[in-house]
Amino acid sequence: DTGVSQDPRHKITKRGQNVTFRCDPISEHNRLYWYRQTLGQGPEFLTYFQNEAQLEKSRLLSDRFSAERPKGSFSTLEIQRTEQGDSAMYLCASSLARYDSSYNEQFFGPGTRLTVL
Amino acid sequence: KNQVEQSPQSLIILERKNCTLQCNYTVSPFSNLRWYKQDTGRGPVSLTIMTFSENTKSNGRYTATLDADTKQSSLHITASQLSDSASYICVVKPGSQGNLIFGKGTKLSVKP
Repeated sequence: DTGVSQDPRHKITKRGQNVTFRCDPISEHNRLYWYRQTLGQGPEFLTYFQNEAQLEKSRLLSDRFSAERPKGSFSTLEIQRTEQGDSAMYLCASSLARYDSSYNEQFFGPGTRLTVL
Repeated sequence: KNQVEQSPQSLIILERKNCTLQCNYTVSPFSNLRWYKQDTGRGPVSLTIMTFSENTKSNGRYTATLDADTKQSSLHITASQLSDSASYICVVKPGSQGNLIFGKGTKLSVKP
């Protein structure tokens, strides 16, 4: 399978615990994005990387959230001291950004569904 | 404020019938508009991407239209199948540096 993969697919945790999600993008894609999607809503942008550099963070990304892409390949999203409001689907997407294309099509992974009890 | 509005919120149709989903956006500057299909519990999958100069783009039974003057787009599904049951999300990319702006989606249910 050469698509975007995410692990785990489901995570149930108790309020106050820390959780970490992993995303493996499509090989050679230089951009990687994290989104959050709650029920009945479209995905909301959290942050994105170009190679290993984190270029933008949404105001939705509170201090309890941190994302890394240490070697420019896979990425992790950690949520510290989880709250019930963090319950959502966390989506990862990757793309190959080219200077000569305005498309920059993003390919999404299957998501990690987080439930905070 | 950059926004993407979709209608209807949900739609139920019978198998083999056609349907049209609507998307209005207030995003400026505009780079491109995308339609995604999202099955329940899965990530979105791209159906079409259109720039302002493209009025129509097809992908099998899916045909998207774009009117950049009125800032409206539609997604027409022909001869619907049970597997078309999903959420269809309209997404606009603002300018060359902006991040994608997602609509809330239209939840389509195709019944036998």
